[in-house]
Amino acid sequence: DSGVTQTPKHLITATGQRVTLRCSPRSGDLSVYWYQQSLDQGLQFLIQYYNGEERAKGNILERFSAQQFPDLHSELNLSSLELGDSALYFCASSPSGGTNTGELFFGEGSRLTVL
Amino acid sequence: GQQLNQSPQSMFIQEGEDVSMNCTSSSIFNTWLWYKQEPGEGPVLLIALYKAGELTSNGRLTAQFGITRKDSFLNISASIPSDVGIYFCAGQWDYNNAGNMLTFGGGTRLMVKP
Repeated sequence: DSGVTQTPKHLITATGQRVTLRCSPRSGDLSVYWYQQSLDQGLQFLIQYYNGEERAKGNILERFSAQQFPDLHSELNLSSLELGDSALYFCASSPSGGTNTGELFFGEGSRLTVL
Repeated sequence: GQQLNQSPQSMFIQEGEDVSMNCTSSSIFNTWLWYKQEPGEGPVLLIALYKAGELTSNGRLTAQFGITRKDSFLNISASIPSDVGIYFCAGQWDYNNAGNMLTFGGGTRLMVKP
């Protein structure tokens, strides 16, 4: 158990809909990262938040947005969903915004299926 | 952007065999890491490398940070069934300016036949 909690674990929805994925980082971790893993693909970095502020941005679509709340949990909002958005979405956390260990603690992921 | 090429994409080996996989990049990294993802789980860190040329072991796993800083290798000796999973390499360029963002390779899917 990494200590990172993601909900929901599974989500099935239709094209055009909007969903929200939730992440609670490990206790004490200030940074939250979102990654997308499509079928047979590696992990694509979406976005990082540190203590409530956006810290780094990857190839995140304009239809997607995220935020980190004062209690440090984070939400990833996916809107106008398309079939290609079906993927595993991972949240990860780390103690600080610039730790030099490179270690991220991943949740179990939220599997999104768009029909 | 930075890209990591990981090979092989998949391996199906006999229990007891040794395994080698590698990762190459079009640009240099300051940190190389190897993660393992088991079915239904998120990736878990196996080994982290912080210096060019560094060779680090974790049990039956050995990883090396390439001298050019553009590649890394992971070896697993005497494989066992629980080694099954997807192994990802990851590179980190500059943790000060880019947070802790990691670039991941495409993964090596390892299957072990008892």
